[in-house]
Amino acid sequence: EVQLVESGGGVVQPGGSLRLSCVASGFTFSGYWMSWVRQSPGKGLEWVANIKLDGSEKYYADSVKGRFTISRDNAKNSLYLQMNSLRPEDTAVYYCARNPAETEFDYWGQGTLVTVSS
Amino acid sequence: QSVLTQPPSVSAAPGQNITISCSGSSSNIGSYYVSWYQQLPGTAPKLLIYDNIKRPSGIPDRFSGSRSGTSATLAITGLQPGDEGDYFCGTWDTSLSAVFGGGTKLTVL
Repeated sequence: EVQLVESGGGVVQPGGSLRLSCVASGFTFSGYWMSWVRQSPGKGLEWVANIKLDGSEKYYADSVKGRFTISRDNAKNSLYLQMNSLRPEDTAVYYCARNPAETEFDYWGQGTLVTVSS
Repeated sequence: QSVLTQPPSVSAAPGQNITISCSGSSSNIGSYYVSWYQQLPGTAPKLLIYDNIKRPSGIPDRFSGSRSGTSATLAITGLQPGDEGDYFCGTWDTSLSAVFGGGTKLTVL
């Protein structure tokens, strides 16, 4: 059974940093692109970033470019999102999702809530 | 404001059929496959349709997808109370980003 479990969310002040983690199980993690997708309270889905199988390619939404860094450790079946210079508009539930193709997210974690507030 | 445009809401009685539209452009829907996601209250999104028309294992054939030009449509037949929730379309864009619609809230009356 495919499972994605996120952690690392919490409350942080504007300008602060946070690192999210996602541990994968039930599939060959190194065989898939992976993404982070976020959802602000009561709002729609917003793709944040994705990363290639071996970490050699990464893409980011304009809204987070230069502030967030996606990475992975295939030996630990883990995906990460380092978030710096956080803003109130970054407040959202952050989901880890598997990307079998650029147009498709076939498995999602339960999400971790990030709140940016003073 | 989302790149893909969906109606904010749709409603119908149990047993009826509905469609949800998703409008984009030549740089996204016109160039890439479309996926649809169901998000029931308090849960994570779930893949319903991929590659415009395909259903993952376990998704009933009451759910179907189509694409024409720069628009896509999700159809649900025989509505059930358990279908109530939010539905999102998504695809890739030539700007090298994944894009989603703003979501459509389905109410089963």
